[in-house]
Amino acid sequence: AQRVTQPEKLLSVFKGAPVELKCNYSYSGSPELFWYVQYSRQRLQLLLRHISRESIKGFTADLNKGETSFHLKKPFAQEEDSAMYYCARYNAGNMLTFGGGTRLMVKP
Amino acid sequence: KAGVTQTPRYLIKTRGQQVTLSCSPISGHRSVSWYQQTPGQGLQFLFEYFSETQRNKGNFPGRFSGRQFSNSRSEMNVSTLELGDSALYLCASSISGGSSYEQYFGPGTRLTVT
Repeated sequence: AQRVTQPEKLLSVFKGAPVELKCNYSYSGSPELFWYVQYSRQRLQLLLRHISRESIKGFTADLNKGETSFHLKKPFAQEEDSAMYYCARYNAGNMLTFGGGTRLMVKP
Repeated sequence: KAGVTQTPRYLIKTRGQQVTLSCSPISGHRSVSWYQQTPGQGLQFLFEYFSETQRNKGNFPGRFSGRQFSNSRSEMNVSTLELGDSALYLCASSISGGSSYEQYFGPGTRLTVT
């Protein structure tokens, strides 16, 4: 079975500090990977997908096939970035396999 | 465009009962997926429906079932409820299957089994 691992349950940083949320996946072919975010009292929403190679809200994520990783990065964290972040992998049948999630807390 | 809606938002049931949850996708979306979210197991895929057909199923017992109607609305049913079924149940809709189509999530139904 495909696995997605987010080793950190909680990541706490100060405002303005760089952020890196880690995501590793089990190797199998060419993965299609996503980052989802859930802000307090809001629904789960797509943040970015690796295939689009875009930056959303200052976040970027690079697929590293050699390390089977898809870490989410932002150079300068903002308080409004505080949320739950989920790494997910797309599987056949429109199924997403999610990592356990990382709670990001950005302190003022 | 209205988002994905789920009803009811909260539900309390007793062990052994059955429950039906409803999901209305975004207009024009034909794929509806269901997920169970618990603190211990995280987000787990239950099943996906497209054009009234179940196309994929996760690793859940047969007590969990679902269906989709011609207007793409979907229901999931859990029979003979167990305490471990207490969870947040999320549905997500997308235009079609395939990774290029974004999945939009609903707010969830919080089920508590006592």
